[in-house]
Amino acid sequence: GEDVEQSLFLSVREGDSSVINCTYTDSSSTYLYWYKQEPGAGLQLLTYIFSNMDMKQDQRLTVLLNKKDKHLSLRIADTQTGDSAIYFCAESIRGSGAGSYQLTFGKGTKLSVIP
Amino acid sequence: ETGVTQTPRHLVMGMTNKKSLKCEQHLGHNAMYWYKQSAKKPLELMFVYSLEERVENNSVPSRFSPECPNSSHLFLHLHTLQPEDSALYLCASSQVFQGQNTEAFFGQGTRLTVV
Repeated sequence: GEDVEQSLFLSVREGDSSVINCTYTDSSSTYLYWYKQEPGAGLQLLTYIFSNMDMKQDQRLTVLLNKKDKHLSLRIADTQTGDSAIYFCAESIRGSGAGSYQLTFGKGTKLSVIP
Repeated sequence: ETGVTQTPRHLVMGMTNKKSLKCEQHLGHNAMYWYKQSAKKPLELMFVYSLEERVENNSVPSRFSPECPNSSHLFLHLHTLQPEDSALYLCASSQVFQGQNTEAFFGQGTRLTVV
């Protein structure tokens, strides 16, 4: 199975909260990330959380980490049409080479915001 | 603007052509990455360079050849590609220190179409 799993689609109404969920498998992950990709663009880092934290809040974004269940979520408060994008969850794991780290991504969740 | 610049943004090439993708980072990072993003698949890590030394090579076909002449520049040389290689190729950089890896910053990507 995949290392990082996310649901593929989420649709919310403008002004509501969005919650995007992610599960991962590598318990040695040190950092977990949320990236946003708008159409035709690369990935933009939204926020990240260190593995010894349970929660991180950054303006409209709240990240919750349940390390026991290996579950990560991103909550976007007061969702706007500009939030429509694909959101990727990623974990940082040690690679096979010395000094090597790599990010493993989920397939991404496409968030559609309905006006 | 994330500090990671990729050129070209779009590339169409025939199966017998040779082309190169370029990536430049202005963040002072010491690790650089190539990812492949295909439709409906997770981002695939292709190559990792840490301190200009290739430390990961995830069984990528030899028709893809990376080059990292210094810590700020990364190339992906393409030769005799197949139509299934059409994808968005993303470059990223990060800082690896004291056994930890910071967040990765991505370029806008090169949309490659092989005809």
